Amino acid sequence: EVQLQQSGAELGKPGTSVKLSCKVSGYNIRSTYMHWVNQRPGKGLEWIGRIDPANGNTIYAEKFKSKATLTADTSSNTAYMQLSQLKSDDTAIYFCAMGTTFAYWGQGTLVTVSS
Amino acid sequence: DVVMTQTPPSLSVAIGQSVSISCKSSQSLVYSDGKTYLHWLLQSPGRSPKRLIYQVSNLGSGVPDRFSGTGSQKDFTLKISRVEAEDLGVYYCAQTTHFPPTFGGGTKLELK
Repeated sequence: EVQLQQSGAELGKPGTSVKLSCKVSGYNIRSTYMHWVNQRPGKGLEWIGRIDPANGNTIYAEKFKSKATLTADTSSNTAYMQLSQLKSDDTAIYFCAMGTTFAYWGQGTLVTVSS
Repeated sequence: DVVMTQTPPSLSVAIGQSVSISCKSSQSLVYSDGKTYLHWLLQSPGRSPKRLIYQVSNLGSGVPDRFSGTGSQKDFTLKISRVEAEDLGVYYCAQTTHFPPTFGGGTKLELK
């Protein structure tokens, strides 16, 4: 069974960074893309970017190019997303999702930005 | 970016009723390989999204056959036959044909 286990909730101060993790079990992440998607409070889904863990290649939505940095560690089968220069409107739930058809999703990590 | 427009934004249904949700894209979703990368997701209350259907009409693993997807090019429909209580939540269509992937605004399915 494929499972994506995300790290716990984060409280970050404005201007700081947080790093979220997404550990995959039941599937080798070298064989797929890993996406990150956010959901602001009460809103819909927004694609942030994706990484190909096999070679580290990344691609980002334009608005997240300076905000998010995606990495992956194939030895631990884990994908990461660092969010930098946090602002209040970065407050959201962040999901990792796997595959070209969003086949599997993590449970989400709530990031709250507050001083 | 490809704009995905879902209608209606909300639906009130009785258990056992059948419903349809529409998703229209601003561009054709047929990729150069001939496949159409249009998918349907369900986000149950307080949960993460779950993929129901991929590439227009393929049922995801473990998804009941009460769900079906049809459509082509720019016009797609999700049908739920005989709605059950576990089907309540927000339905999203999503396209991964064009960069960046985009999602519809969602359709909230509620109990009447």
